[in-house]
Amino acid sequence: KQEVTQIPAALSVPEGENLVLNCSFTDSAIYNLQWFRQDPGKGLTSLLLIQSSQREQTSGRLNASLDKSSGRSTLYIAASQPGDSATYLCAVRLFFGNEKLTFGTGTRLTIIP
Amino acid sequence: SAVISQKPSRDICQRGTSLTIQCQVDSQVTMMFWYRQQPGQSLTLIATANQGSEATYESGFVIDKFPISRPNLTFSTLTVSNMSPEDSSIYLCSVEEMGRSSYNEQFFGPGTRLTVL
Repeated sequence: KQEVTQIPAALSVPEGENLVLNCSFTDSAIYNLQWFRQDPGKGLTSLLLIQSSQREQTSGRLNASLDKSSGRSTLYIAASQPGDSATYLCAVRLFFGNEKLTFGTGTRLTIIP
Repeated sequence: SAVISQKPSRDICQRGTSLTIQCQVDSQVTMMFWYRQQPGQSLTLIATANQGSEATYESGFVIDKFPISRPNLTFSTLTVSNMSPEDSSIYLCSVEEMGRSSYNEQFFGPGTRLTVL
């Protein structure tokens, strides 16, 4: 059974700092991995998707990497801003044809102005 | 990406009653998904809804408790039946569509926050 873990559960950093969020998964035979952000009481916003054949994806100040063999992904946020404060979730999809996402427990990020 | 709306955005209900949540998408999609997020927890898939067929439920979720309708390619409903306080959660619908990555991604609605007293 696929299990997805995110450490730390919460993180506070001063504005302007670069930071890394971690995601690990137990079954490395994944199809893709998706990073989301969730604002309090709201739905999810898709940030980046990495296919199993890819190493990284970038969007603006965000960079996500994937090391499938070790079961790890990281989300790098450059020059953090207070608007980045949210919960960040990673989710893995096992294989093409199975659309079920298995979610991690999330990292609650607070950027201190 | 698809624009997804949900109604209601939140509700407070009495135990033993039922609530139907609506999910509307601005484009035709083959598959829609219903997730639950219990307080302080991550998301758990309830069921997958295809148009014209019965929904497929995940382990631990049953049709009698969470009946789902999918009358067309842009709309679905999830009913939470005979509610108890343990059903207090955020319920989210999602769809799969081509994203910026040029691969299929899942996109989520804003969620329905349900509180059962």
